[in-house]
Amino acid sequence: EAQVTQNPRYLITVTGKKLTVTCSQNMNHEYMSWYRQDPGLGLRQIYYSMNVEVTDKGDVPEGYKVSRKEKRNFPLILESPSPNQTSLYFCASSFGGSYSTVAGELFFGEGSRLTVL
Amino acid sequence: SQKIEQNSEALNIQEGKTATLTCNYTNYSPAYLQWYRQDPGRGPVFLLLIRENEKEKRKERLKVTFDTTLKQSLFHITASQPADSATYLCAFFNDYKLSFGAGTTVTVRA
Repeated sequence: EAQVTQNPRYLITVTGKKLTVTCSQNMNHEYMSWYRQDPGLGLRQIYYSMNVEVTDKGDVPEGYKVSRKEKRNFPLILESPSPNQTSLYFCASSFGGSYSTVAGELFFGEGSRLTVL
Repeated sequence: SQKIEQNSEALNIQEGKTATLTCNYTNYSPAYLQWYRQDPGRGPVFLLLIRENEKEKRKERLKVTFDTTLKQSLFHITASQPADSATYLCAFFNDYKLSFGAGTTVTVRA
């Protein structure tokens, strides 16, 4: 089954304790992206990756890091989480490869709800 | 800075009626726009994509229009059903980024 898998789905942590949210897709997609969703603000892009070893900032990258060492994986790293990073996080992927195909359908994971105390 | 606005946070309609959602953008010239459906606690699911040179796109009971002059997209759900109740998100693609509106929650009453 084609899917984007995120882990953990739920996490409560404390300020400053480094954490990683993993994302994996099994569709051989080149384009991957992370979003956070907050009430009233919609989905905001954190980082995206056009392909292996190619990443770029989205609209709200502060406090986050990413890496793309393999095509299927795109982990989101919070080096020193703060309460304002409490949010619902989504990983997404699409076929990518060129401008027109990057604009195609995004497949989303089920989300990771993070609470930073 | 670029901005996307969906006309209202909530829309309540009677079963069988047409729901019309509006999405406006400013400071932007998107090449593509997309509409997604999101159910509570779930990830968004892709519905339709329309390109800037297309005026209208249909898929079953869904219809999307894209007016680059008005900087607006309209999303219609015809013959609405309770199963259509969800939050609908518009998204504009530009410069390798897909930017989303905050969403409109549609509730269809039986």
